[in-house]
Amino acid sequence: GAGVSQSPSNKVTEKGKDVELRCDPISGHTALYWYRQRLGQGLEFLIYFQGNSAPDKSGLPSDRFSAERTGESVSTLTIQRTQQEDSAVYLCASSPRQGTNSPLHFGNGTRLTVT
Amino acid sequence: KQEVTQIPAALSVPEGENLVLNCSFTDSAIYNLQWFRQDPGKGLTSLLLIQSSQREQTSGRLNASLDKSSGRSTLYIAASQPGDSATYLCAVPPPGNNRLAFGKGNQVVVIP
Repeated sequence: GAGVSQSPSNKVTEKGKDVELRCDPISGHTALYWYRQRLGQGLEFLIYFQGNSAPDKSGLPSDRFSAERTGESVSTLTIQRTQQEDSAVYLCASSPRQGTNSPLHFGNGTRLTVT
Repeated sequence: KQEVTQIPAALSVPEGENLVLNCSFTDSAIYNLQWFRQDPGKGLTSLLLIQSSQREQTSGRLNASLDKSSGRSTLYIAASQPGDSATYLCAVPPPGNNRLAFGKGNQVVVIP
């Protein structure tokens, strides 16, 4: 079966532009997570969805970042007015149910470069 | 706030040697601990998940131990192979929280 799919795999954008990153979780997975991985750093939590609601948005670094999810399916992470410090790999993960007692399944990420 | 530390940050070993990777965390009130593998340019692959009530988990050449009270986990990889070269990350969910706190990883190179 298909794993978690993210698109685009690479994105280069100019400072100040908006970008949209897409995540298709594994079918039937109710929980969806977005993480950011900067060069040489650990993964930073951004936002968690259970179904299409987001009970934990506390990791979003600023109001330029937003995310939404359609039902228990696709999620989109939007970054407005991108800055150079937004350059990172953005990883999406899903799991079958709420809570962290089931392993997360990660996509290959979107590598964002802001010039 | 849960802090996760992994030592060593990087190591190289000759093929066939056993690998020992260490992970420590500051808050012992965890549900579980997960070990992941990350290859360059790829996402993370879950290797082992140890529940808080367990002391260890094994999968093939991999064995992970968990000592909750001391805030430590160790990943052992027996008889390392060049294909084991990757970054290994451990992660724990902070108490009452669905997110995972990750370490920065152990970058492993197995030399043929």
